Order: sequence, then structure tokens, then C-alpha cells
Amino acid sequence: GAGVSQTPSNKVTEKGKYVELRCDPISGHTALYWYRQSLGQGPEFLIYFQGTGAADDSGLPNDRFFAVRPEGSVSTLKIQRTERGDSAVYLCASRQDSNSPLHFGNGTRLTVT
Amino acid sequence: AQSVTQLGSHVSVSEGALVLLRCNYSSSVPPYLFWYVQYPNQGLQLLLKYTTGATLVKGINGFEAEFKKSETSFHLTKPSAHMSDAAEYFCAVSDLADSWGKLQFGAGTQVVVTP
Repeated sequence: GAGVSQTPSNKVTEKGKYVELRCDPISGHTALYWYRQSLGQGPEFLIYFQGTGAADDSGLPNDRFFAVRPEGSVSTLKIQRTERGDSAVYLCASRQDSNSPLHFGNGTRLTVT
Repeated sequence: AQSVTQLGSHVSVSEGALVLLRCNYSSSVPPYLFWYVQYPNQGLQLLLKYTTGATLVKGINGFEAEFKKSETSFHLTKPSAHMSDAAEYFCAVSDLADSWGKLQFGAGTQVVVTP
């Protein structure tokens, strides 16, 4: 079946602009995660949704970052007033339940110029 | 707080040789431990995981890892490297209380396989 889909695959934006990154999880997966992978580093947890609600947003670096999942399926990560330091690959993952592994998407590569 | 240290950001192995990727963790409680692989332009894929029980865990593609509590290690091995094993490998740890998927990843080890 279809895996986790992330769009766009690449996004180039200018410093100060607003961006939205989209994640379509695997159908039926109630849990959804966002991670950020900076160059040369491992993925870093940002936020976790169980259904429509953010169960843990402790990884969001500051208030410029926000994520929603209004219908408990698709999620959007929103970044306001982008900075060059936001450049990274943003990964989305979903899982069916607590005993299931995470399924990762291919990521969105964000470049802030 | 948990943390993961992967020794060696790059490893080069000959085809057919042993692959050994080192991972040490720091956790205040018995952890869940994972190895993920990332092929170019693809998402992370779970290789194997340790939760409880047998300390030697077998995964996909002939990989295995052994949880050694006394050494706080979870090293990944494969007896004979194949060209298709060229990828980046990440060790990760999760606190039992965070079993829903909040993982702490290491910095990764890039594996190059030479003919």
C-alpha cells in the first residue's frame, strides 16, 4: 500500500517568508510525528499527534513553528518568518499503534536563502 | 535524559567483509533501542529493534544487533557486506514511557562498500 507522503519534496524560500509542509500518513495510522534532520545530524523530534491533538510539542524550537492535523489524517507543519537556520530535511512519520514501528516519509528538503 | 552516540561518522568496508557499526546509549531507565537505515533520497526504514527479552535481535537484510546493558551498547553487525548495504545508519533510543515514538537519534554512520 501507499506509504507516508510528503509534499513538496523540495522547497526553496527566502528568509522571512512563510512556508507550509504537508504530510499524508498511511491510512488508518492515528499517530503522526514530525522530525527535523539538519545536515550531518540525526533526526530530531519536533511534535507528535495522536488523532487531531498535539500530544507532545516539546520539540518545536520556537513559536515560529506550528503544526496542525485538523481531521486526524493530513498534517501541515507551518514555519513563519523563516530563517537560514531552518534549512533542513523535515521528516514525517506515522504509526498504527504503540507496538508498531514508525513509517517515515521521504522528507521535504527546505532551503532558506 | 537519553542520548545516543554513534562512533564513526563514516565507515568503509569491503564487499564480503564484516560490517560493525557502534552505538552507545545513555538512559536513566531500560530503553527501547532501534537501528534505522536511510538510503539516498528515501525515508528512514526500521532495520531492527530491542524492547525486552532476547538481547540478540535479528533484523532485515541480514543485520543483527546485541543489547549489552553492562556496556550500554547496541552495536549493529552484518557478517558479509553487500554493495546494496551502502547507506546511512542511525541508532535511536526511546524511553519506555515514551513508547509512542519519540526517538532520540544518533548522528548517523555513513557506510561505503567497496568492491
